[in-house]
Amino acid sequence: GAGVSQSPSNKVTEKGKDVELRCDPISGHTALYWYRQSLGQGLEFLIYFQGNSAPDKSGLPSDRFSAERTGGSVSTLTIQRTQQEDSAVYLCASSLRGAPTGANVLTFGAGSRLTVL
Amino acid sequence: AQKVTQAQTEISVVEKEDVTLDCVYETRDTTYYLFWYKQPPSGELVFLIRRNSFDEQNEISGRYSWNFQKSTSSFNFTITASQVVDSAVYFCALIKAAGNKLTFGGGTRVLVKP
Repeated sequence: GAGVSQSPSNKVTEKGKDVELRCDPISGHTALYWYRQSLGQGLEFLIYFQGNSAPDKSGLPSDRFSAERTGGSVSTLTIQRTQQEDSAVYLCASSLRGAPTGANVLTFGAGSRLTVL
Repeated sequence: AQKVTQAQTEISVVEKEDVTLDCVYETRDTTYYLFWYKQPPSGELVFLIRRNSFDEQNEISGRYSWNFQKSTSSFNFTITASQVVDSAVYFCALIKAAGNKLTFGGGTRVLVKP
């Protein structure tokens, strides 16, 4: 697609429920990232996928968070047993795989705003 | 550990005024990249500029200019002759050269009034 697409744009859920957030990256971008933007913590890295390599999950805040990327394209971020502190905007980004990796320019989606009541 | 500090949380100006956003960073890495991203009300972060730690040449692009000073660990950003469309939150970010995790500053909200 022309840009990074995220769905849903808004999700309101009750504490304890599971949620799934979807990210459709730019076609041809092999690197995919999830970040979380919250009032208290700013922008935080969650997870990074690159091709068929094992993902870098070092930013996931707890074992209630997981993500997968199927077929090297679409990614789903799953939050189990949601808590109020999970309320945030979840941003997905993708990039071409360049070297060095730090030089990659990320294209972000508009985010999924999650509100846990 | 890496850290990015944007001391200004919000700046309000009248259209056509210049705006300078401060960014100070900390890193132990010798090679790294610095970025500025803009987040308009629509929510998505938009890439503005990238600098590597070996390139201290300052740049002007249209109404935007950047001042990278490695000696003071600063990477400041200036909007000349601001316009209402420049109203957004601006983020400075740092990443080590071989890394995949951006460390963001807290952001500076710029409000340009007509």
